[in-house]
Amino acid sequence: DAGITQSPRYKITETGRQVTLMCHQTWSHSYMFWYRQDLGHGLRLIYYSAAADITDKGEVPDGYVVSRSKTENFPLTLESATRSQTSVYFCATTRQGGGYTFGSGTRLTVV
Amino acid sequence: SQKIEQNSEALNIQEGKTATLTCNYTNYSPAYLQWYRQDPGRGPVFLLLIRENEKEKRKERLKVTFDTTLKQSLFHITASQPADSATYLCALGRPGSARQLTFGSGTQLTVLP
Repeated sequence: DAGITQSPRYKITETGRQVTLMCHQTWSHSYMFWYRQDLGHGLRLIYYSAAADITDKGEVPDGYVVSRSKTENFPLTLESATRSQTSVYFCATTRQGGGYTFGSGTRLTVV
Repeated sequence: SQKIEQNSEALNIQEGKTATLTCNYTNYSPAYLQWYRQDPGRGPVFLLLIRENEKEKRKERLKVTFDTTLKQSLFHITASQPADSATYLCALGRPGSARQLTFGSGTQLTVLP
């Protein structure tokens, strides 16, 4: 099915562990984004990518790493998870002149 | 600093009435503004996009206005239904910002039967 998929849907990890959240789109859109959503803060941009091998920081990039070796995949890695990174993470993509299409999100809990 | 404010965290209205949600911004010069709907446990869903040179956009029961002088967008749902109950987010895109959007924190709308 065409679309944008995120995995896992839920994740519990321990402080200090590395964890990778996956995002895959089937359209081959150039732009992809990672946002986190927290109560009181709304959606905040972590990283974005304009094309394969082109990534840039957003508003809250500290503690996160991204890569984009293929157009369709945009994984987000927390190098050493902290409790403050407990959040819901959304991946999104967009085509020229359109709105974002979001994935279903990953609810991450760091204990 | 740049700021996006959406009116009241929660809005309750009676079924059949028109719901009006407000999005105000400061220290922005957006090229366009978008509205999204978000249901609990789900990602936001795109509804409408309006550009800085457009005053109004409509889609079925939805209407968006954009006043760059007042720095405000209004989002209207006419003939509201309980199924319209959700959180609605506004988002601003700035020129030359690589399609990045900055989101407001949302307004939770409840349509009472």
